[in-house]
Formats: sequence, structure tokens, C-alpha cells
Amino acid sequence: RKEVEQDPGPFNVPEGATVAFNCTYSNSASQSFFWYRQDCRKEPKLLMSVYSSGNEDGRFTAQLNRASQYISLLIRDSKLSDSATYLCVVNPYGQNFVFGPGTRLSVLP
Amino acid sequence: SAVISQKPSRDICQRGTSLTIQCQVDSQVTMMFWYRQQPGQSLTLIATANQGSEATYESGFVIDKFPISRPNLTFSTLTVSNMSPEDSSIYLCSVALAGVTDTQYFGPGTRLTVL
Repeated sequence: RKEVEQDPGPFNVPEGATVAFNCTYSNSASQSFFWYRQDCRKEPKLLMSVYSSGNEDGRFTAQLNRASQYISLLIRDSKLSDSATYLCVVNPYGQNFVFGPGTRLSVLP
Repeated sequence: SAVISQKPSRDICQRGTSLTIQCQVDSQVTMMFWYRQQPGQSLTLIATANQGSEATYESGFVIDKFPISRPNLTFSTLTVSNMSPEDSSIYLCSVALAGVTDTQYFGPGTRLTVL
């Protein structure tokens, strides 16, 4: 089993839609969790950290379920500019970041 | 965050040659890392660049193939040695900031094509 797994993509959604991405991780000792966004031919950029209580940043909501080792990202009211690959990232305690394979999102006009 | 630059931004190289990639940060950082992202794939950590000592390599990566230097807290180099077409990839430098070690910021990457 891979350390970090994500929904296979691509997700093609119309503008204004709500879309959810899922991510599971295998190392129960993981301490930190993140969603990064990577535009085509660009470097990954931090979108948001994921906290146990869940957190929201504008149209983006991230949730963590430690018991199920599951992370989610919800995007409401999708914009064309949201089109990108979304990377789930897990930081096991005392170890280095592990990146998921990414889920590609295309928001269509 | 930090401003991170990489040189070169891209290069096309011949098989058997070596390329050194530079990573410069505008502030002192605690940790620097080198990643590889092969076409259509996610990021794979090559090594952690340690200031003043040998880099720490991940499984599958060795110093002879990917020598790394980190002479100070703001600069590191990665060399891809004796290149083959399989080394064609994007190479990314990332940093963790002092006091925020659980978040990484990435440089713009170096796109390498080996013929």
C-alpha cells in the first residue's frame, strides 16, 4: 500500500460547482498534514494546512479524520483559476514529507 | 515564506554529462531539500541538504549520482552526474523556515531534458 493515496483524476467540473478530494495515509504516526496546489509547469505551493478540528479558508475547507487516516479538501463555488493538481502531503513524525500522487482538477466555463 | 530561486530554470543535456543546479534562498533556513518530479508523477524526495555535513539520501538515491553541497544556510547545489534519459525530470529545491519546520516552500524548479 502506498503511503499516501488520492482520488484518481481528472475531475472536470463546471464553474460554480462544489468538488471534494479525498486522501488516505498509511502511517498512523503522521503528525502534520497539508494540501498543496501545483499549476501546470509550476512548483507546488502551500494551499492550506489541515488541523484535527478542520479548517476553512474562504471557499476551501480541509478536514482530518485521524481514526480513519483520511484527509479531505472541499472547494465550493469553483473558479476557472482553481484548475490545478492538488497534492495531499503527510509529514510522519520525525520523518520527511510524503507527497500523494495528486488529483487533477479542471474547472470548465 | 521565503523567496527561492533556482538556476538554471531549464537545460537540455547530452547523455553522460553532469549538470549542477543551484538553489538560493533570501533568508536563513533550517532545512533544505531536493526533490525530483518525473513527468506526470508526484514529488519524490532525493535528499536533505545538511549545512556543513554530508546530505542525507533517501532510499534509491546515492551520493555518487546526486552529490549535494550546502556551504551555508541560504545556498545549496544538486549535481546530476553521468546523466541518462531516465534523469529527465523537474528538480525542485524546497526549504523549511526556522520556527515553521513543518511547512515547506518550493523553488520554481529546474526542468532537465537528457538526450
